[in-house]
Amino acid sequence: EDKVVQSPLSLVVHEGDTVTLNCSYEVTNFRSLLWYKQEKKAPTFLFMLTSSGIEKKSGRLSSILDKKELFSILNITATQTGDSAVYLCAVELNYGGSQGNLIFGKGTKLSVKP
Amino acid sequence: GAVVSQHPSRVICKSGTSVKIECRSLDFQATTMFWYRQFPKQSLMLMATSNEGSKATYEQGVEKDKFLINHASLTLSTLTVTSAHPEDSSFYICSARTQGAQPQHFGDGTRLSIL
Repeated sequence: EDKVVQSPLSLVVHEGDTVTLNCSYEVTNFRSLLWYKQEKKAPTFLFMLTSSGIEKKSGRLSSILDKKELFSILNITATQTGDSAVYLCAVELNYGGSQGNLIFGKGTKLSVKP
Repeated sequence: GAVVSQHPSRVICKSGTSVKIECRSLDFQATTMFWYRQFPKQSLMLMATSNEGSKATYEQGVEKDKFLINHASLTLSTLTVTSAHPEDSSFYICSARTQGAQPQHFGDGTRLSIL
């Protein structure tokens, strides 16, 4: 059975701290790994990773994929209260064609205190 | 870019009513759209995948006669929950993607409450 496991499930930090969120996966037909940020509404796209070892950065956020260890991390440096959200990791499956179903982890709830 | 609009954002209706939710890609052509369901404190669960002009592919355990999906154009997909009952109350989210190695982009979701 395809699965995506995120850890920790929740995390409380103070502003300015650096956090690392983890995502491991076991899937039969990997296509890509995606990170999303979900606040009160629907997820917003952060990163899409397809190759091992290539770090993607966007401001204070960065992410990297290890396809040998079936693992990805999302780093947030100098956290701010606005970073408080649920961070979702999803693996896109390669079904051929253009389908690309996503298997989501349960998410990591990050709370950043002032 | 890559904006997905979902409407309505909130529905409250009586048991037995059918409810239609629209999902539109505003600035790109969505060759594939996805419909998810999310229960409180749980992750998104894929319900069905639809390609423009084709019948939707439903995940195991999702009743296709209960959840009717239409993807009539490259910018619009609809989910109709037929004869909704209280157990159908949930947060429904659509996503859309274009061809190639592109991420799915999500709508803001529809919170459905069946009384």
